[in-house]
Amino acid sequence: DTEVTQTPKHLVMGMTNKKSLKCEQHMGHRAMYWYKQKAKKPPELMFVYSYEKLSINESVPSRFSPECPNSSLLNLHLHALQPEDSALYLCASSHPTGASGNTIYFGEGSWLTVV
Amino acid sequence: AQKVTQAQTEISVVEKEDVTLDCVYETRDTTYYLFWYKQPPSGELVFLIRRNSFDEQNEISGRYSWNFQKSTSSFNFTITASQVVDSAVYFCALNRADAGNNRKLIWGLGTSLAVNP
Repeated sequence: DTEVTQTPKHLVMGMTNKKSLKCEQHMGHRAMYWYKQKAKKPPELMFVYSYEKLSINESVPSRFSPECPNSSLLNLHLHALQPEDSALYLCASSHPTGASGNTIYFGEGSWLTVV
Repeated sequence: AQKVTQAQTEISVVEKEDVTLDCVYETRDTTYYLFWYKQPPSGELVFLIRRNSFDEQNEISGRYSWNFQKSTSSFNFTITASQVVDSAVYFCALNRADAGNNRKLIWGLGTSLAVNP
């Protein structure tokens, strides 16, 4: 069983809605990630938090807003999304990114549909 | 360039067949890490193995085995006696540092494996 849990599993939202994806890990990791994955493609990195501070933003549009309230929690706030933002959103965690080769562990993902 | 190539887009086998998934990588780093992940239709990316560049020993875990060869920059994955539950997309990935020394994963495009009864 995965130790990275994501809620909700499925989300349908309108283009004017505000919603949030939530992620929690209990592995004591201090790095957390958001990835976006479209069908038949590999995951694309969106954001990385290291020690609760945003360390990487891969030029993600501002309609996606990450938040890391503490070392175990990671949120992704969604506002004014477009239909092309429909995808699988994966949360992940690892030991801090400063050390090379640390394994990244993924959650089950949140399937997002924007209508 | 640093990249990962999984030349097989889709593979279809019959249960109990052995199947090998190929992964070829390019990197300028002398120290690097390679990974395999499994993604079943449910969506979760399941970590299978991590291998560092200094350890060329092959690894076996049950029906799974991995062959790492630096001379050919390959890290191939073999499933012995495949089962229907092995049906998934398998990703090979390379861990590298970007210009800011942030470690990131470079992913192959994945191989979709269908194991038919």
